Amino acid sequence: TQTVSQSDAHVTVFEGDSVELRCNYSYGGSIYLSWYIQHHGRGLQFLLKYYSGNPVVQGVNGFEAEFSKSDSSFHLRKASVHWSDSAVYFCAVRDSGGSNYKLTFGKGTLLTVTP
Amino acid sequence: NAGVIQTPRHKVTGKGQEATLWCEPISGHSAVFWYRQTIVQGLEFLTYFRNQAPIDDSGMPKERFSAQMPNQSHSTLKIQSTQPQDSAVYLCASRSGTGHTEVFFGKGTRLTVV
Repeated sequence: TQTVSQSDAHVTVFEGDSVELRCNYSYGGSIYLSWYIQHHGRGLQFLLKYYSGNPVVQGVNGFEAEFSKSDSSFHLRKASVHWSDSAVYFCAVRDSGGSNYKLTFGKGTLLTVTP
Repeated sequence: NAGVIQTPRHKVTGKGQEATLWCEPISGHSAVFWYRQTIVQGLEFLTYFRNQAPIDDSGMPKERFSAQMPNQSHSTLKIQSTQPQDSAVYLCASRSGTGHTEVFFGKGTRLTVV
């Protein structure tokens, strides 16, 4: 059974600041990790994914995430946020093997970017 | 590419009535998913189709929920005898094949049961 923990329910930063949104998971097998963004009243939009190779992956709009097997983490980062980055961010995990279809999501982190 | 299309965007039903939610996956995507999103429970997996065949409905409440995929261009989620606790945003998603492809979500249908 996979679990995902996003320890921060709400993060507030100023425009131009850097931000890190944390995601920790528990799963013993080969893993596929992803981040999604949800603007108010909208569906989830894919940001980036990791399943093998370089542990630092680049996504859309300047986001990147780093996988750490030792820490069981997949934290999302952005060097300089814009007000339009205000949204809820979800970390998701699934088995990257044979039963690789069901995403398990964290509770989400609301990012508020103050102008 | 219009993405995953869900209709209606909002639906209000009276307690005990039936609600049918529609989803048009991205053309060519063979995997279709339904999720439910609430403030309390977050995002919950409901059911999964691959090549129109039901593969996993382990997240579906057994008695009143059903999902179908009669053809590759649409799927429906039907809730009979709706209850206030069914109020949620229902998200449909699709992806192409298996492997490490990403899942694309629709904008969701907000169901309110009054």
